[in-house]
Amino acid sequence: AAGVIQSPRHLIKEKRETATLKCYPIPRHDTVYWYQQGPGQDPQFLISFYEKMQSDKGSIPDRFSAQQFSDYHSELNMSSLELGDSALYFCASSVFSGGDQETQYFGPGTRLLVL
Amino acid sequence: AQTVTQSQPEMSVQEAETVTLSCTYDTSESDYYLFWYKQPPSRQMILVIRQEAYKQQNATENRFSVNFQKAAKSFSLKISDSQLGDAAMYFCAYRSIPGSARQLTFGSGTQLTVLP
Repeated sequence: AAGVIQSPRHLIKEKRETATLKCYPIPRHDTVYWYQQGPGQDPQFLISFYEKMQSDKGSIPDRFSAQQFSDYHSELNMSSLELGDSALYFCASSVFSGGDQETQYFGPGTRLLVL
Repeated sequence: AQTVTQSQPEMSVQEAETVTLSCTYDTSESDYYLFWYKQPPSRQMILVIRQEAYKQQNATENRFSVNFQKAAKSFSLKISDSQLGDAAMYFCAYRSIPGSARQLTFGSGTQLTVLP
């Protein structure tokens, strides 16, 4: 079965640089979530989109922005990167209606290292 | 806001034995979803099992089962016939009902070691 695809899988950036993370949800999934997991921590919710509209917002810094496109893929844009942004970034997708609704399936994550 | 608590940072189990991981949560909602995810060393987040709060029957998936006590706000995971591949960090997670905040709130995790 198709899974959530994230790219790139690894990313190394310098402080104050920008980064763009991409997420391709499972086919027919209409909702995308972004989570940030720091070392030794649990995942923290950043932002979500349903049908290309922002749905909920968590602890996402103002330096970050995200959007969901017409093909349902999503991009997380991160500017003015700081050392503390080094983390594993997960994208998850779900379908709003149907038998498996409300279950979020996670991608493999993007490991971001800020030097 | 909902909170999820996993009071066991680390657990270990002998291969082929049974282990139970604990999770409690705090919420004022009457309907919600609960999940267990595992995160092996690859750090992929893998769904283990899910429970709908309106269902009294405990969910089961092969060797994995839950003990859902709604009144006590407890949601423990039992792993039977433990295998080496079960070694991972296990996260308990809470999700509100549709129409409200739909993100997952995670506990701090329990690191499970399986001893050969």
